[in-house]
Amino acid sequence: KAGVTQTPRYLIKTRGQQVTLSCSPISGHRSVSWYQQTPGQGLQFLFEYFSETQRNKGNFPGRFSGRQFSNSRSEMNVSTLELGDSALYLCASRRKEGSYEQYFGPGTRLTVT
Amino acid sequence: DQQVKQNSPSLSVQEGRISILNCDYTNSMFDYFLWYKKYPAEGPTFLISISSIKDKNEDGRFTVFLNKSAKHLSLHIVPSQPGDSAVYFCAASFTGNQFYFGTGTSLTVIP
Repeated sequence: KAGVTQTPRYLIKTRGQQVTLSCSPISGHRSVSWYQQTPGQGLQFLFEYFSETQRNKGNFPGRFSGRQFSNSRSEMNVSTLELGDSALYLCASRRKEGSYEQYFGPGTRLTVT
Repeated sequence: DQQVKQNSPSLSVQEGRISILNCDYTNSMFDYFLWYKKYPAEGPTFLISISSIKDKNEDGRFTVFLNKSAKHLSLHIVPSQPGDSAVYFCAASFTGNQFYFGTGTSLTVIP
């Protein structure tokens, strides 16, 4: 069974631009969560989608948004990029809400210059 | 507010010896705890977990201990191997709704 895939793997953007990251969960998994990983901050939860609905949201500004499609694929959008948005963005999928087993993709490394 | 903390950013251990990674948490509502291992350029992979109703869980060379009164958990790796060199994250959850991660500990096992 294929794992969680994320595209693109690397991205360089300029401050003020916007970016869209994509995540395809494991087949049959309906929950997708997004995390931001930065040095010294660990993994910070952004939001989780289940059946196309946002279920949980972390403490991030409104510039960070997401959505989930009917095939469970998810996108994350960051508008008006800031230098501090440079990070590794990870998505994780779960078969269902409440499951403790989540599987991570390799991440998208975003660099904002 | 960091609800899960890993106060040691790095740890070096000789091959064959024991590695002990520590994690503290503040929320007594957490009912499940997990350890993930992360290699560079890869996403975290699940290593071992423990429910709050237990105080120990063992899987091969890996053992997780939970001390609820101290709000502390630890991961023991015995014996440590060079392939164990990675960043280890502890995570906590209540009812599986959301996961809170620590900042990670980079383990280096010296051959």
